[in-house]
Amino acid sequence: DQQVKQNSPSLSVQEGRISILNCDYTNSMFDYFLWYKKYPAEGPTFLISISSIKDKNEDGRFTVFLNKSAKHLSLHIVPSQPGDSAVYFCAARRNNAGNMLTFGGGTRLMVKP
Amino acid sequence: IAGITQAPTSQILAAGRRMTLRCTQDMRHNAMYWYRQDLGLGLRLIHYSNTAGTTGKGEVPDGYSVSRANTDDFPLTLASAVPSQTSVYFCASRGPGVAGELFFGEGSRLTVL
Repeated sequence: DQQVKQNSPSLSVQEGRISILNCDYTNSMFDYFLWYKKYPAEGPTFLISISSIKDKNEDGRFTVFLNKSAKHLSLHIVPSQPGDSAVYFCAARRNNAGNMLTFGGGTRLMVKP
Repeated sequence: IAGITQAPTSQILAAGRRMTLRCTQDMRHNAMYWYRQDLGLGLRLIHYSNTAGTTGKGEVPDGYSVSRANTDDFPLTLASAVPSQTSVYFCASRGPGVAGELFFGEGSRLTVL
């Protein structure tokens, strides 16, 4: 039973346009949500996070939105660049489980020049 | 700055053989983790260690063991490898950030035949 789900395995967007990656979760005990980016043959790297008490966090071209009532979050990348092409993982932290992260299955983003 | 170093980068192993994946960090982080990445399933936690001398089971611990003799090293051992353990293995440590973001190594690709 996956507690964190990324229902779109892949997404293709044109350079300069917006990329929207979605993530759904089931456990209301999650207190932080994180996005990781992974290039082939490399480890995941931390991108951006959001606390469960907030609904938006922005860092440059990256913005994460959290809708707690819908148990849904999304990562917006504006404008998208070819270097953003990677696999993006959504992750959630449980506040009563030693800060361990639960990851979604990942979404492969392809930004076309 | 090396961060997390994993070895080997890749390995082909016969079923039934014993294998140890090595992980070393130079950031003096207390908590360390082992994840496996499988297509569509994202990153699943195998074992973790909150501090030197302690370990715990994650989501998929069966067939794996870990030890944490000191802060820097966190090896993962497959006592008798099976084909279902074919995967990419990532070691990570938890940084000091409030969201608990993880720093990952570059991964060890293991193929069990």
